Amino acid sequence: GQNIDQPTEMTATEGAIVQINCTYQTSGFNGLFWYQQHAGEAPTFLSYNVLDGLEEKGRFSSFLSRSKGYSYLLLKELQMKDSASYLCAVRELGSGNTGKLIFGQGTTLQVKP
Amino acid sequence: GAVVSQHPSWVICKSGTSVKIECRSLDFQATTMFWYRQFPKQSLMLMATSNEGSKATYEQGVEKDKFLINHASLTLSTLTVTSAHPEDSSFYICSAKPTDRVRGNEQFFGPGTRLTVL
Repeated sequence: GQNIDQPTEMTATEGAIVQINCTYQTSGFNGLFWYQQHAGEAPTFLSYNVLDGLEEKGRFSSFLSRSKGYSYLLLKELQMKDSASYLCAVRELGSGNTGKLIFGQGTTLQVKP
Repeated sequence: GAVVSQHPSWVICKSGTSVKIECRSLDFQATTMFWYRQFPKQSLMLMATSNEGSKATYEQGVEKDKFLINHASLTLSTLTVTSAHPEDSSFYICSAKPTDRVRGNEQFFGPGTRLTVL
C-alpha cells in the first residue's frame, strides 16, 4: 500500500530553524520531492532526492534515507513568507515510467515574529 | 522556462452542466501531464495521468466517464467535468512532466482552477 506521513501543523519563530519530517511506505520508489504551497496557489518545487544524503539549496535542505523510508526538509533563517504548507511527495515507478507523484497530507508551517 | 498555465483560473457553474479545464505547457513539451484535485486543507489527490496520443490512466475511485481527459498535443491536456455536482467543487491542479532528459525529474504545476458548482 501507499502511506506518506507528515505532521499536520508546525509553528516556529522568525529567524529560527525548523525541520519537517516525512516517512513513507510506497510500492516502488523513484525519488522524493518537497513542494511549498501557499493558500489558494499551486505547489512550487523546492527539492528532489533520489539518493541517500543531504541536498542543500540556499536556506532549504532536504535529506533522504531510503532504507528508513524517511526524509526531512530543513528550513533555516525562517522568514514570515515561509508560512505555507509543505508537501512531501514520492514518485513511484509506474507503467511506462510515467512517475506519478503520491503526496502526503502536507504540513502547515506558521512562522511567528 | 517551465511554465504551465491553466484556464480558467476559476469557474462557477450550475449543477448538471459540464466544465472544461485546459492545461498548457508554455515553453516545453510534455508527453505526460497529471490532474490533481485538492479539497480545502487537504493535500493533492492524483486523479489521472494524461498521456499524449493515448488514453488517460485513472486512479482508483475516479470515474473516467465523469472526468474526461484529452491530451491531444504535447502542450495541451484538457479535463472536462461532466454533469457537475456540488460535491465536485474543488481546486483542480494540473502538472506537466517535461519530455527532455534535463528536466525530466520534475513536474511543473499549473496555477490551479477553482471550480464551484451551485
